[in-house]
Amino acid sequence: QQPVQSPQAVILREGEDAVINCSSSKALYSVHWYRQKHGEAPVFLMILLKGGEQKGHDKISASFNEKKQQSSLYLTASQLSYSGTYFCGTWGFGNEKLTFGTGTRLTIIP
Amino acid sequence: NAGVTQTPKFQVLKTGQSMTLQCAQDMNHNSMYWYRQDPGMGLRLIYYSASEGTTDKGEVPNGYNVSRLNKREFSLRLESAAPSQTSVYFCASSFPGQENNEQFFGPGTRLTVL
Repeated sequence: QQPVQSPQAVILREGEDAVINCSSSKALYSVHWYRQKHGEAPVFLMILLKGGEQKGHDKISASFNEKKQQSSLYLTASQLSYSGTYFCGTWGFGNEKLTFGTGTRLTIIP
Repeated sequence: NAGVTQTPKFQVLKTGQSMTLQCAQDMNHNSMYWYRQDPGMGLRLIYYSASEGTTDKGEVPNGYNVSRLNKREFSLRLESAAPSQTSVYFCASSFPGQENNEQFFGPGTRLTVL
């Protein structure tokens, strides 16, 4: 089942902070985050694994609450280059495949 | 390294026509994937190949077939295109273990079916 992302869209001024949330209805092994700029391919940001291990970006942070089956992506002191659509992907237990959310469109204005 | 390459970049088909989307990667990845992206729907997995010689259905496989030609190449075929298959198609690859390895995406193929 597709994870739910919130908000669907957000507009920020340069330097402001943003939080993007990703919720699943099932227990998760890992949560993946990707960013996609308009007309381009998605680009990997990070993976958060059950147990707390994190792999990926050093300028963007994220949390993974296993009990609540949620993850949040934190973008601090946003830059113009942060604009794009952010997707979370979730991996459950069993014979699973990575399932992506519908995305959060982030627009940074000067 | 070119990473993941896809051909063609754009394609317009008429209903009922067939075509094959090509994908190749030079990162020695075992696993390869085909996604489609529609407005407001995010990325949906069509088929994937965990390793050379194996393929498996994803979330939306109907109307598509795939071939893992070798370790580098993974093609997606539309036998009889329908307007509902108008979409942007992305190929991706990764090391084994989709659950804890990043995927590298190709630039995409923008397909319109009239």
